[in-house]
Amino acid sequence: TVLTQSPGTLSLSPGERATLSCRASQSISSNYLAWYRQKPGRSPRLLIYGASTRATGIPDRFSGSGSGTDFTLTISRLEPEDFAVYYCQDYSTSPQTFGQGTKVEIK
Amino acid sequence: QVQLVQSGSELKKPGASVKVSCKASGYTLSSHGMIWVRQAPGHGLEWMGWINTNSGIPTYAQDFTGRLVFSLDISVNTAYLQITSLKTEDTAMYYCARIDYGSGSQYWGQGTLVTVSS
Repeated sequence: TVLTQSPGTLSLSPGERATLSCRASQSISSNYLAWYRQKPGRSPRLLIYGASTRATGIPDRFSGSGSGTDFTLTISRLEPEDFAVYYCQDYSTSPQTFGQGTKVEIK
Repeated sequence: QVQLVQSGSELKKPGASVKVSCKASGYTLSSHGMIWVRQAPGHGLEWMGWINTNSGIPTYAQDFTGRLVFSLDISVNTAYLQITSLKTEDTAMYYCARIDYGSGSQYWGQGTLVTVSS
């Protein structure tokens, strides 16, 4: 499965809403779609799994939605630590695949 | 508490091999699978595969077929990643991670930088 994320870069201000898209080349079974955030120089961090369930310790400003081939990550109000790169991942099959990433930068 | 601590940076020549360790603490290694992910400089995440730490059975991404070996030493609660016939394009940060997609819990190693250069 090829995952295509858009946009490549999102320029926003703190407090604004961010909407990130992930489109799959084929339907992802059981909605086994995850989202990660990666800050520069840091390990990735799982935000969302099962397309819409927040991982342990993830604040509720992060939400995931979608099914089949189209998925969305929404950050309701950007905090300074949210300016980072976000990846979606299909973990329904082997090999698992990641999208190419969306960078959320400060406008 | 659960921690994954990886071995230090490596500098290797093309054609050589490298072995990266991922020592788990705070839990028994065999209770949760371990995934390996890499990230070339300035690039995105690449899933390399995972190892069932209970059975020892590995699953490798196709791009690495034949050059990749995942292994375990349960006695020291450590997982290993070995790459043979290194290429310059193997230069990357390598991460081990324990991710439970059923509960949303996650633990990541700090990453190991492998540089392949002549």
